[in-house]
Amino acid sequence: NAGVTQTPKFQVLKTGQSMTLQCAQDMNHNSMYWYRQDPGMGLRLIYYSASEGTTDKGEVPNGYNVSRLNKREFSLRLESAAPSQTSVYFCASRGWGGDREKLFFGSGTQLSVL
Amino acid sequence: QQPVQSPQAVILREGEDAVINCSSSKALYSVHWYRQKHGEAPVFLMILLKGGEQKGHDKISASFNEKKQQSSLYLTASQLSYSGTYFCGTEGGADGLTFGKGTHLIIQP
Repeated sequence: NAGVTQTPKFQVLKTGQSMTLQCAQDMNHNSMYWYRQDPGMGLRLIYYSASEGTTDKGEVPNGYNVSRLNKREFSLRLESAAPSQTSVYFCASRGWGGDREKLFFGSGTQLSVL
Repeated sequence: QQPVQSPQAVILREGEDAVINCSSSKALYSVHWYRQKHGEAPVFLMILLKGGEQKGHDKISASFNEKKQQSSLYLTASQLSYSGTYFCGTEGGADGLTFGKGTHLIIQP
């Protein structure tokens, strides 16, 4: 049981390049999330998907797009990377009902934009 | 909007107690608490749902006052393993789960 799997773990991009961060969960969870973490800023919500077929903006959506490909997969795309997008990105998923509502996090992607 | 956590940092001796506070400007459905060690993903501690409750396991407990839109995390008789950054996450409805900026906890022997 892998939980939440994120790829890649590390990535270096040049300004203006594009890339997609992949996330997949095998827990049959309805909701999935993308966060970015910067020093002193905590975890900031980029986009989330409450259920398959829906996506919504979070606190810092500018410069990103997402796709909920199916119930398992939720990808984050940077169309034209900027240095301000240098960050650690976490994907997370959750189920519903009581303690099932806790977030399960992936191991993170460290992205540097030069 | 991010919930506001206080204090930003705490330094304790092993065995001392700590309280971390979390407040929100919006009505809350739930409050989550997570701990993160350096270089790792956040790890779930507990969730408190609307209804004003208190939860705990081992020496870590939390309370949720939904009228005041506040939650507190209590760590008693702290251990070295409690060191890390603690985050509260709040949810007001169908608006996603947003986190505070974190509280850095350092436990010294």
